[in-house]
Order: sequence, then structure tokens, then C-alpha cells
Amino acid sequence: GEDVEQSLFLSVREGDSSVINCTYTDSSSTYLYWYKQEPGAGLQLLTYIFSNMDMKQDQRLTVLLNKKDKHLSLRIADTQTGDSAIYFCAETDNNDMRFGAGTRLTVKP
Amino acid sequence: SQTIHQWPATLVQPVGSPLSLECTVEGTSNPNLYWYRQAAGRGLQLLFYSVGIGQISSEVPQNLSASRPQDRQFILSSKKLLLSDSGFYLCAWKAGGGYEQYFGPGTRLTVT
Repeated sequence: GEDVEQSLFLSVREGDSSVINCTYTDSSSTYLYWYKQEPGAGLQLLTYIFSNMDMKQDQRLTVLLNKKDKHLSLRIADTQTGDSAIYFCAETDNNDMRFGAGTRLTVKP
Repeated sequence: SQTIHQWPATLVQPVGSPLSLECTVEGTSNPNLYWYRQAAGRGLQLLFYSVGIGQISSEVPQNLSASRPQDRQFILSSKKLLLSDSGFYLCAWKAGGGYEQYFGPGTRLTVT
């Protein structure tokens, strides 16, 4: 079946940029998403990108999509302690949505 | 605006007891509804989804079941819980024809 892979952990210092990477295998993906999950809470949709785009910027967030390599990244500029959370990559082919296992981002002061 | 509710927020149940988790959505009509389970430190596993009242699709075989008695109500049930049913259960909705899924706050289930 189709897979979505992410590294499990990322640690950065406050004020640095964070880059969370994701790879997927489904060549028919139409939308790709980044969700944020804080402890004990549900998933919050951060941003998404249509598969025919290669970049989307939203304030401190930049999403880059390399469709040829099936690689998605989320860059958080000026990372703050409040950005500490688990970040999930997800993709859909308009039928099912598939999630990665999540990357735990730790921001150190 | 749309809102999604789940209850209870936490639940501790003994093995063999029944389960009923409820999810309701406000502010939209005929949403697609989803139940996911998140095991500790793991990603999300899709359990059930529904595109309309009484229409349930199951993704994995298990001792859980789902029902959609009303347009904006989605219920996850079990007749007899197993230890392996412990986890964080998330309900989500998507507008029919839309591209974004929105999640509820989740229910933490511990089976003892």
C-alpha cells in the first residue's frame, strides 16, 4: 500500500529554523497536508498544498513540494517554544487520507 | 463556523466492558465523518468512515463498530473491550468534495 514516512524526532534552538521532512509513495496524491498535535489534543490543520504547486508560504510556515521525488517539507522560521508539538504529514488521492507517524519537534530555549 | 465535539474526553474501562464514544459536528451538512485511532507514539490508523447516514465503511477488522444515526453524529462502539483497544481516538470531518479534514479534540481510552 501507499506509505508516508517521516523522521520521528527533531530538536532545534529557539529562534532557529526548523525543517520537517516527509516522503510519500502515492503518485496519484492530489493534496498534501501538515497537521500539528499538541499534547493530549486533536490534530490542527496547519497548511496544505495542491500537488501541482511546489511552494506555499503562510507567515512563518513554508511548504516545499518536490513531486518528482515525492518529498514534502515544512519549514518553520524563527521557531518558538510554542511550536513544540508533533507534526504529521498527510496526503490524499481524494479517497483516503494517509498519515505519517509524526515528527516530534522539541524547541530548546 | 464549523465545530466538532467528542466525548468523553477521557475514559477508563475494564476489559470486556462495552464502549460508546460520540462525535458530533456543528455548522455543516452532510459531512464525511471519520474515526481514527492513535496508539502511543504512533501515527493515525483509519478505523471507519462515513459519507452519509447509515453508510459506514470499515478499514480494518476489529472488535469495534461505528454507526451514523444522524447526519452530524458518528458513534464508535464495542461490545467487549480488549486491552489492545487502548489509545487516543480521534473523530474528523470533511466537507463532501472538500480537501481538508478537521479533527476533534480526541478521547483518551485506557482499557484496564
